[in-house]
Amino acid sequence: DVKVTQSSRYLVKRTGEKVFLECVQDMDHENMFWYRQDPGLGLRLIYFSYDVKMKEKGDIPEGYSVSREKKERFSLILESASTNQTSMYLCASSLRTGGSAFFGQGTRLTVV
Amino acid sequence: QKEVEQNSGPLSVPEGAIASLNCTYSDRGSQSFFWYRQYSGKSPELIMFIYSNGDKEDGRFTAQLNKASQYVSLLIRDSQPSDSATYLCAVNEDSNYQLIWGAGTKLIIKP
Repeated sequence: DVKVTQSSRYLVKRTGEKVFLECVQDMDHENMFWYRQDPGLGLRLIYFSYDVKMKEKGDIPEGYSVSREKKERFSLILESASTNQTSMYLCASSLRTGGSAFFGQGTRLTVV
Repeated sequence: QKEVEQNSGPLSVPEGAIASLNCTYSDRGSQSFFWYRQYSGKSPELIMFIYSNGDKEDGRFTAQLNKASQYVSLLIRDSQPSDSATYLCAVNEDSNYQLIWGAGTKLIIKP
């Protein structure tokens, strides 16, 4: 089974803090994604990566950056956390372009 | 702008009946269609996927594609209370890294 693991299930941070969300997958997938999910808005893509050190902006990249130094690990960085970044963050990976995405358990981030 | 639309629900279905969920998509070039189930507070999990060349049945679940009308359906036979969840539809062109997601339909199975 594909396993995608996110570093934290729940996180509370203060406004202005730099926040790191980590994601690791164990199936040698090429593609990794970061989404946020808010009630009524569905899944929105923040960034994705199709190879080590490669990254592409998704639909809502503002206020976020990413890092992929190793194939199995994809990190999401909130440079200066704000209350409107309070959300559920979901990491996913897929083997091939446009293929099935497998999700981590999610990180519920609250910025106070 | 490529879009995938789903009725947000909730769709209420009696236990043992067939639940029918629909998803419409805007891009005629779409090749792959995915159905995910998401329980409250959990992450989405893949139920099944189909390609543009045909329908698929897997146990109690059937995914059907209507290319002419640009919608994909998920049928759940013999609905169980454990099927109560939000169902997300996602669509993709094979050349694209991104899946285009619907906002999901909340399904409630009433005992």
